[in-house]
Amino acid sequence: EAGVAQSPRYKIIEKRQSVAFWCNPISGHATLYWYQQILGQGPKLLIQFQNNGVVDDSQLPKDRFSAERLKGVDSTLKIQPAKLEDSAVYLCASSSPFYRTHGRYEQYFGPGTRLTVT
Amino acid sequence: KQEVTQIPAALSVPEGENLVLNCSFTDSAIYNLQWFRQDPGKGLTSLLLIQSSQREQTSGRLNASLDKSSGRSTLYIAASQPGDSATYLCAVPSGGSYIPTFGRGTSLIVHP
Repeated sequence: EAGVAQSPRYKIIEKRQSVAFWCNPISGHATLYWYQQILGQGPKLLIQFQNNGVVDDSQLPKDRFSAERLKGVDSTLKIQPAKLEDSAVYLCASSSPFYRTHGRYEQYFGPGTRLTVT
Repeated sequence: KQEVTQIPAALSVPEGENLVLNCSFTDSAIYNLQWFRQDPGKGLTSLLLIQSSQREQTSGRLNASLDKSSGRSTLYIAASQPGDSATYLCAVPSGGSYIPTFGRGTSLIVHP
């Protein structure tokens, strides 16, 4: 099966500009995640969708970041305006429907988008 | 709030050695634990997933164990090879919504 697709792979912008990232999950995967990974750190969850509803966005800086998942398939993450500290790799992942009684899910990641803010 | 710690942060070994990477978590009410590999400039590749009811999982030269009560998991890599060089991350979903928390990773270099 095709993996998680992300675009663009690289993006360089100046601070205060806006940028958008796109993610297409594995077909049939109901759960979609956006992570921010700063160099030398583990991924930090920004937002988690279940179909087209938000499960958790507690770590999303809502004054500048927004995300949507229309029709419960692909998703976009936007930053407006960007700051220097937003320089990071933005990872998208998806997982198949999980079963509470078994506690099982497995995340599949895309290649990421490396954002540099100058 | 779940916190995940990985030790060591970095490891450099000669080819052929057997390795142990450690992952600890503060909230033992987890659903599973997943180990990933990340190559420079790439996304994450899933290596092993251990369900909360399991004690270990094996895949080739990799073996992962889970001790929920003590909040620990180990990833054992047998007969390491230069191609194993990468960053290894563990992640645990917890809470009612399976929110995943990652460790900072162990950066592994296996030199010939």
